[in-house]
Amino acid sequence: AQTVTQSQPEMSVQEAETVTLSCTYDTSESDYYLFWYKQPPSRQMILVIRQEAYKQQNATENRFSVNFQKAAKSFSLKISDSQLGDAAMYFCAYRSGGGADGLTFGKGTHLIIQP
Amino acid sequence: DTAVSQTPKYLVTQMGNDKSIKCEQNLGHDTMYWYKQDSKKFLKIMFSYNNKELIINETVPNRFSPKSPDKAHLNLHINSLELGDSAVYFCASSPGLAGGNEQFFGPGTRLTVL
Repeated sequence: AQTVTQSQPEMSVQEAETVTLSCTYDTSESDYYLFWYKQPPSRQMILVIRQEAYKQQNATENRFSVNFQKAAKSFSLKISDSQLGDAAMYFCAYRSGGGADGLTFGKGTHLIIQP
Repeated sequence: DTAVSQTPKYLVTQMGNDKSIKCEQNLGHDTMYWYKQDSKKFLKIMFSYNNKELIINETVPNRFSPKSPDKAHLNLHINSLELGDSAVYFCASSPGLAGGNEQFFGPGTRLTVL
């Protein structure tokens, strides 16, 4: 079974600074996808960014980028120019390429933005 | 327009009762899911349906019974509610089963069992 580990229960960053959230995963599969989801206090789950395992290039979405290290099974999220609206729980998630087994989530990192 | 909706958003009930949570998506997706988020915010897949057929049933007690009357709806019925069932339940949908498909989540239903 796949596992996803987020070792930082909570992170704090000053507004406009850069923060990196860590995620590692364990799998024996070669075809899979990795995701970062954001859950603000409203509790709505919002997809932040997605990475295909077969792609070497790191995914980027505006201020959000990932550092995908396939051999190390590491998938960290970098948030640049942090904004107050970035304050939320961030969940790293894994899904097999076939997709039959749903998303496997890490335990989440609570991100605090200091004004 | 709401893409994935759930009713109710909040549900407070007594132990031993039976309750249902409804989910509807208007995205035309083939695949729908139920996830449970516990008090420590941990999210876990419970069920998934593809074209109204059950695909995943993750070691969930058989007091939980999903029903998909059509592709746009996936309801969750819970019998004999227990204190440990208190959680937030999320419905989600995706275009299909392929792993790279984005899953769109509903707003969640907070269930409190007293």
